[in-house]
Amino acid sequence: ETGVTQSPTHLIKTRGQQVTLRCSSQSGHNTVSWYQQALGQGPQFIFQYYREEENGRGNFPPRFSGLQFPNYSSELNVNALELDDSALYLCASSGGLAASSYEQYFGPGTRLTVT
Amino acid sequence: KNQVEQSPQSLIILEGKNCTLQCNYTVSPFSNLRWYKQDTGRGPVSLTIMTFSENTKSNGRYTATLDADTKQSSLHITASQLSDSASYICVVSPRGGSYIPTFGRGTSLIVHP
Repeated sequence: ETGVTQSPTHLIKTRGQQVTLRCSSQSGHNTVSWYQQALGQGPQFIFQYYREEENGRGNFPPRFSGLQFPNYSSELNVNALELDDSALYLCASSGGLAASSYEQYFGPGTRLTVT
Repeated sequence: KNQVEQSPQSLIILEGKNCTLQCNYTVSPFSNLRWYKQDTGRGPVSLTIMTFSENTKSNGRYTATLDADTKQSSLHITASQLSDSASYICVVSPRGGSYIPTFGRGTSLIVHP
């Protein structure tokens, strides 16, 4: 086990709704990254938070937003859900930025289905 | 645009056999290259991480090699086991710039008894 947890495990939402996914990082890790993984694809970087501020963002629209809290927890919020948002959402915590040589520890993911 | 291409897309081998997975990338300059193992429906687990100055890194039966000149990496699995059945993902991170890692689509490995 990596010590990174995510909730909920599965979620079904309707197009146009909003969703909040949660991640609890390893204690002491100051960086959390979020990824979207469509079926049969590799993960795609959404953004990362370093010491509670966004630091790096992939090619995702502003309706994808996040928060990182001092207690090593974080949230991914997605507004105005679209069918293509159906995917496995992964968070990863580390002691430094995602592109650095710090080890990244992934959570088990949240499977989001948009109908 | 930074790209990471993995081959083959899928691979079936018999238990006990060796196999090699390939990763070609265009990310330049790059900071590090990682290989992950991802079981179905689970988060990826790190196997190896190599900086641009390293040529090889081992983790048990897993050995990764890196040729920064040709922008190629390989992951060699020795004496495969049924539990090796998973997707293997190559990830390349840039040095400087956006600091955003680029993931390959993965190679799906199935090990049969």
